[in-house]
Amino acid sequence: DTGVSQDPRHKITKRGQNVTFRCDPISEHNRLYWYRQTLGQGPEFLTYFQNEAQLEKSRLLSDRFSAERPKGSFSTLEIQRTEQGDSAMYLCASSLTGTANSPLHFGNGTRLTVT
Amino acid sequence: GESVGLHLPTLSVQEGDNSIINCAYSNSASDYFIWYKQESGKGPQFIIDIRSNMDKRQGQRVTVLLNKTVKHLSLQIAATQPGDSAVYFCAENMGQEGAQKLVFGQGTRLTINP
Repeated sequence: DTGVSQDPRHKITKRGQNVTFRCDPISEHNRLYWYRQTLGQGPEFLTYFQNEAQLEKSRLLSDRFSAERPKGSFSTLEIQRTEQGDSAMYLCASSLTGTANSPLHFGNGTRLTVT
Repeated sequence: GESVGLHLPTLSVQEGDNSIINCAYSNSASDYFIWYKQESGKGPQFIIDIRSNMDKRQGQRVTVLLNKTVKHLSLQIAATQPGDSAVYFCAENMGQEGAQKLVFGQGTRLTINP
């Protein structure tokens, strides 16, 4: 499978716990994005990387959220001290620069449930 | 405000018929628009895109129309099949320098009746 891969697919955690998600983009894609999707809504932009540099963060990304892409390949998204409002689908996507408006390719997401 | 929305939340069509899904956007400066299909339990799947210098683009069984005068985007699916049942999102790109900072609408659920 050469698509965007996310792990785990599902995560149930208790409020206050920390969680970490992983995303492996399409191998030749140098841009990686995180989006969040709540039930019945479209995805919302959180942040993106070009190679290992995090270039933009949404105001939705509170200080409890941190994303990394240390080697410019896979990325992790950590949520500290989870709250019930963090329950959502976290989607990773990747694209290729050098081609204007290269479309995003999404993974199948990690569904987080905070109890 | 800067938002992308959809006229209808649900749409049911008979298998084999054509379907049209509509979308209104409010940012006249947007120059890139995308349609995604999302099946239950999966991430959005790219269908087709269009830049603001075009008013129509065709793919396999799909056509996207862009009317910049009224800020309207539509997705036409020809000869619908059961596998077309999904939620369809339009999105506009608010990012700079090719960055994909997409603003999505709420989605239209398309149901194909046998």
